[in-house]
Amino acid sequence: EVQLQESGPGLVKPSQSLSLTCSVTNYSITNNYWGWIRKFPGNKMEWIGHISYSGSTSSNPSLKSRISITRDTSKNQFFLQLNSVTTEDTATYYCARLTTEGIDYWGQGVMVTVSS
Amino acid sequence: DIQMTQSPASLSASLGETVSIECLASEDIYSNLAWYQQKPGKSPQLLIYYASSLQDGVPSRFSGSESGTQYSLEINSLQPEDEGDYFCQQSYKFPLTFGSGTKLEIK
Repeated sequence: EVQLQESGPGLVKPSQSLSLTCSVTNYSITNNYWGWIRKFPGNKMEWIGHISYSGSTSSNPSLKSRISITRDTSKNQFFLQLNSVTTEDTATYYCARLTTEGIDYWGQGVMVTVSS
Repeated sequence: DIQMTQSPASLSASLGETVSIECLASEDIYSNLAWYQQKPGKSPQLLIYYASSLQDGVPSRFSGSESGTQYSLEINSLQPEDEGDYFCQQSYKFPLTFGSGTKLEIK
């Protein structure tokens, strides 16, 4: 079964960068699309962006100027960097596999708090 | 962006009952709608895709339907394990957008 696991700091200071890693097991990230989604306190969900099997990326326009999604195919990992964070970026961050049917595999999520 | 208006925000129902959750898309999304269940402390699970197709392993008491830009998730014969949050998501256009969620409580 496909497994995804997020890792990264749980606390980030305002104005700094948030960096997360998603490690994928049992499936190559050179197939399908791989994305980042976040869930805010209060339960609103937001699609952050994704990286495709070929390495092309797409990001939510609301975040586009602040985010970077990259990958390391040798490690079967992909990454999220979100710059200039504010308290409004406090959320649980999920990595996931995106298909035409929907988001069929999700990581367990990592809670990130932005606070000084 | 396509707005997904989900209702109700919360729902309480008894074992064995049938409930329905709705999502209204702000424009035509041509059946590109998925439903998810999320339990506390867990990641979301895909239930329904393309508005009415049941994901492998999901019990048949879950079903999806559509009427124009209105999409519905129906859960028949409620079981204790159905308690949790449910949300919809459109995949017709980027950015992907989600409904605001429905909290289902089993009495």
